[in-house]
Amino acid sequence: GEDVEQSLFLSVREGDSSVINCTYTDSSSTYLYWYKQEPGAGLQLLTYIFSNMDMKQDQRLTVLLNKKDKHLSLRIADTQTGDSAIYFCAESQQGGSQGNLIFGKGTKLSVKP
Amino acid sequence: NAGVTQTPKFQVLKTGQSMTLQCAQDMNHEYMSWYRQDPGMGLRLIHYSVGAGITDQGEVPNGYNVSRSTTEDFPLRLLSAAPSQTSVYFCASSYSMVLSGGSTDTQYFGPGTRLTVL
Repeated sequence: GEDVEQSLFLSVREGDSSVINCTYTDSSSTYLYWYKQEPGAGLQLLTYIFSNMDMKQDQRLTVLLNKKDKHLSLRIADTQTGDSAIYFCAESQQGGSQGNLIFGKGTKLSVKP
Repeated sequence: NAGVTQTPKFQVLKTGQSMTLQCAQDMNHEYMSWYRQDPGMGLRLIHYSVGAGITDQGEVPNGYNVSRSTTEDFPLRLLSAAPSQTSVYFCASSYSMVLSGGSTDTQYFGPGTRLTVL
């Protein structure tokens, strides 16, 4: 079945870049998402990318998609302590509405001052 | 707009008790869903609905019932709570997919309900 894999932990120093990786198995995935969850809070959509794109940049966030290898990454430039959170990769075939989202288990990002 | 609201925020139940987790959205979204979040498991889809009167099972539906009598509300019912249902529950909603992409496809999440079953 469909599966989304992420490493569970990442630790970086403030000011460094963070790269969170994700792999997925469903080759028919057309939408890929990154969500951020701060402690005790719900999920906040950070960014998304369509499968016909290789890269998307939004301020400090850069998403790279390697469709051939089914690999997605989220790069956070100039990481701040406020970026400490759990980051979830998610994929769906038809978008987040009539296509259900399949989530990874989340990567906990710790930013050291 | 209040977005997606969930009540209660916290709940403690005894095994065998029943309760309903409420979810409401005021964005006129057609699609709504319930996820549970467990440590080390990420989010798993319980049930979803593509419109009023239409519901379907997700990945982990056992022990849960849903109904969708209105566009706004999508309650999740636990008929006989079990300790395995201790979790954080998130409700989400989004527009139905009409366009090929864009912000209308994104899901908006509620703040969550933390449920403990003793």
